[in-house]
Amino acid sequence: EIVMTQSPATLSVSPGERATLSCRASESVNNNLAWYQQKPGQAPRLLIYGASTRATGISARLSGSGSGTEFTLTISSLQSEDFAVYYCQQYNYWYTFGQGTKLEIK
Amino acid sequence: QVQLVESGGGVVQPGRSLRLSCAASGFTFRNYGMHWVRQAPGKGLEWVAVTSHDGSNQYYADSVRGRFTISRDNSKNTLYLQMNSLRAEDTAVYYCAKGHSSSGGGYIDYWGQGTLVTVSS
Repeated sequence: EIVMTQSPATLSVSPGERATLSCRASESVNNNLAWYQQKPGQAPRLLIYGASTRATGISARLSGSGSGTEFTLTISSLQSEDFAVYYCQQYNYWYTFGQGTKLEIK
Repeated sequence: QVQLVESGGGVVQPGRSLRLSCAASGFTFRNYGMHWVRQAPGKGLEWVAVTSHDGSNQYYADSVRGRFTISRDNSKNTLYLQMNSLRAEDTAVYYCAKGHSSSGGGYIDYWGQGTLVTVSS
């Protein structure tokens, strides 16, 4: 099983600043990596697929990068709606999720 | 717009069975693979199962293989999850989710709101 490890577990950032979330795979997943956002009581929402392609309707303030085993989700100029939990998921070999990063207001 | 509406959750005793349903609309259901993903209370996401667009292929997480069965009825635009021999550790919100491809491989692009299954005596 491919293990996905996200860091940090919690990230405290002030509105208007930039947040950088990391995701590491235990083996190469090529660029078969997606990012999802989940707010309390809601279903996850697709943000990024193919490691760097924004899903329909997703703000250009969000960007994904990386390939192989190291991936990053960057959110610039943080707004109130960005504070949530973020999950990465590999779909190169079956499907596994990271444990999530909680992005909270500083 | 894509809508996925789960039903069938509830409280069930260990060892018993439960069947979840997911009614799909807003897209051509028969063309896409479909998933079930679960989330235990206060925990992260765990992929459970996937079926191909025509139901000919199904794959399962190790934790549920042999106990859960994913199926679909394309004439009714409905996805199912039959859960047998339920355990306390199966307690979770179960999400129905749409794959972006016909095989079900690849990323998930839409999620339902989930249905809560509680396994307790």
